Amino acid sequence: GEDVEQSLFLSVREGDSSVINCTYTDSSSTYLYWYKQEPGAGLQLLTYIFSNMDMKQDQRLTVLLNKKDKHLSLRIADTQTGDSAIYFCAESRNRDDKIIFGKGTRLHILP
Amino acid sequence: SQTIHQWPATLVQPVGSPLSLECTVEGTSNPNLYWYRQAAGRGLQLLFYSVGIGQISSEVPQNLSASRPQDRQFILSSKKLLLSDSGFYLCAWSVLRAGDTQYFGPGTRLTVL
Repeated sequence: GEDVEQSLFLSVREGDSSVINCTYTDSSSTYLYWYKQEPGAGLQLLTYIFSNMDMKQDQRLTVLLNKKDKHLSLRIADTQTGDSAIYFCAESRNRDDKIIFGKGTRLHILP
Repeated sequence: SQTIHQWPATLVQPVGSPLSLECTVEGTSNPNLYWYRQAAGRGLQLLFYSVGIGQISSEVPQNLSASRPQDRQFILSSKKLLLSDSGFYLCAWSVLRAGDTQYFGPGTRLTVL
């Protein structure tokens, strides 16, 4: 079956790097996503990676994919208070296919 | 540019009352449309998706139904709400055969008392 797992909470000091981890079970996953949900807001797509890539970097965000272990991570460099949110890992097999989401990791920023 | 609207933003309803949540998309034609629910402490769950007017696929058996009366309108309904229907409902769209992600609306927070 299809399943996406991620830890529920992460606390990081302001200025440090945050690393949010995710594992998935579907070996047919082609697209892997990271979404951000700020309090009271809808989901915002942060970044995505294709399964034939190992890494993708976008400003402060770095996504690492270990396809063999089905492990995905999101690293946020120089974490700011504005990064406080719930981060969802997700996967889909194809374009326009349904997206399977994890339960979300709540990132808490310590002063 | 494309925009997705959902309303209402928040809703408090008694058990047994009906429900109607609306989602509309602007700036695109023939989108794929999706309804998700995020229950407290749980991940997102796909409820329904639609590839065209009148075409609805249900992912999970439940108390809810969906309809697509127009190309860019997607409605989530219930005849009688249950306590377990409480949650955050998200509508999303994607471009058929062209997009590689889904774009989400602002969501509706439903509380059933």
